[in-house]
Amino acid sequence: QSALTQPASVSGSPGQSITISCTGTSTDVGGYNYVSWYQQHPGRAPKLMISEVSNRPSGVSHRFSGSKSGNTASLTISGLQAEDEADYYCSSYTSSISVVFGGGTKLTVL
Amino acid sequence: QIQLMQSETEVKKPGASVKVSCKATGYTFTSYDITWVRQAPGQGPEWMGGMNVNRGNTNYAQKLQGRVTMTADTSTNTAYMELRNLRSDDTAVYYCTRDPGAATFDIWGHGTMVTVSS
Repeated sequence: QSALTQPASVSGSPGQSITISCTGTSTDVGGYNYVSWYQQHPGRAPKLMISEVSNRPSGVSHRFSGSKSGNTASLTISGLQAEDEADYYCSSYTSSISVVFGGGTKLTVL
Repeated sequence: QIQLMQSETEVKKPGASVKVSCKATGYTFTSYDITWVRQAPGQGPEWMGGMNVNRGNTNYAQKLQGRVTMTADTSTNTAYMELRNLRSDDTAVYYCTRDPGAATFDIWGHGTMVTVSS
């Protein structure tokens, strides 16, 4: 199972909005509404930010939202804050009864 | 407070085995699956497989079949992941996660660094 495709890096200024894409195939992202997004700060464990494409767990800021169209899922962060600077990973359930992660996107807040 | 507490750093030689533990607190251990995820230095996470703690059945990543075993002790609320015949490319941080379903990992342990080096 190949890793999901994410841009290596994105950047934005405080207050702006950014979107991170996550592209898979019809056997993973496109086939199931089981896409999650994780935030990871250096030296820390990943933290769940979005589940099942667009569900935001309790305690996660409303500035984070998720969506999906075809084989591509997206994470949007609005009102960028310095604390949002981190690595972001998507993941998806697959037809092989497994989970595949993306390669990760480094978000820089300028 | 819901937590997953993992065992400490391990250094192993190629060909050896490692067993990482993960003690769950703050929730009903048997109500959730435990999934293991590893992350090599500078890389993205990699799904290793998971276990239904209540029923005991497991589902392993194809590339690890035959080398990995996931178990759980419901009397101590502790999950275990054993990886055998270690190679240098098994060097990674190993995380246990709570899996409520829908391929979601909502609680993560702090990670256990496993280094494989001769």
